[in-house]
Amino acid sequence: GENVEQHPSTLSVQEGDSAVIKCTYSDSASNYFPWYKQELGKRPQLIIDIRSNVGEKKDQRIAVTLNKTAKHFSLHITETQPEDSAVYFCAASMGAGNTGKLIFGQGTTLQVKP
Amino acid sequence: NAGVTQTPKFRVLKTGQSMTLLCAQDMNHEYMYWYRQDPGMGLRLIHYSVGEGTTAKGEVPDGYNVSRLKKQNFLLGLESAAPSQTSVYFCASSYSRTGTTDTQYFGPGTRLTVL
Repeated sequence: GENVEQHPSTLSVQEGDSAVIKCTYSDSASNYFPWYKQELGKRPQLIIDIRSNVGEKKDQRIAVTLNKTAKHFSLHITETQPEDSAVYFCAASMGAGNTGKLIFGQGTTLQVKP
Repeated sequence: NAGVTQTPKFRVLKTGQSMTLLCAQDMNHEYMYWYRQDPGMGLRLIHYSVGEGTTAKGEVPDGYNVSRLKKQNFLLGLESAAPSQTSVYFCASSYSRTGTTDTQYFGPGTRLTVL
């Protein structure tokens, strides 16, 4: 079946450093790629997303890049802060048609050390 | 505007018992989804609905049933709970637009333990 692979599973950085999380997907029909942040005990919340007609998107300290040929996309967080510590999930839309279905990566636990 | 809400927040069941989880959204979204979240496995889709009166299976549907009698509500049922169904359950909803996929908004989750 279709899947999304996410790496690394855990990431520890010093405050102020950059963090990069990478995902690869298998479904060539995928055209929407959101990233969610989930703090401990809370719901996943969208932080940024990108569509297949765009190669890069930025929002302040976060950016996402997409390489459709290679079927991979990445989340970049610059100038990390302790409040960035959370679990991050990538996702890719599934299949042709408009069901809105997403398939999620396994998650990356980011720890930002003060 | 409450967004997506879920009841209950916590529940403990014994093996073989049944229960229903309720998801409600006030954003007039067409699409609704039920996921389960287990450590190290991300979010896995159980069932979803693309409109009132319609439901479809996701990745891990076995042992669960759903109903969407009203557009704003999506119910997840466990007929005979098993310890393997111990998990955190999230509901989500999204708009529908032809030819594209929209942001999914998640509820606060239900933590279910089956003994």
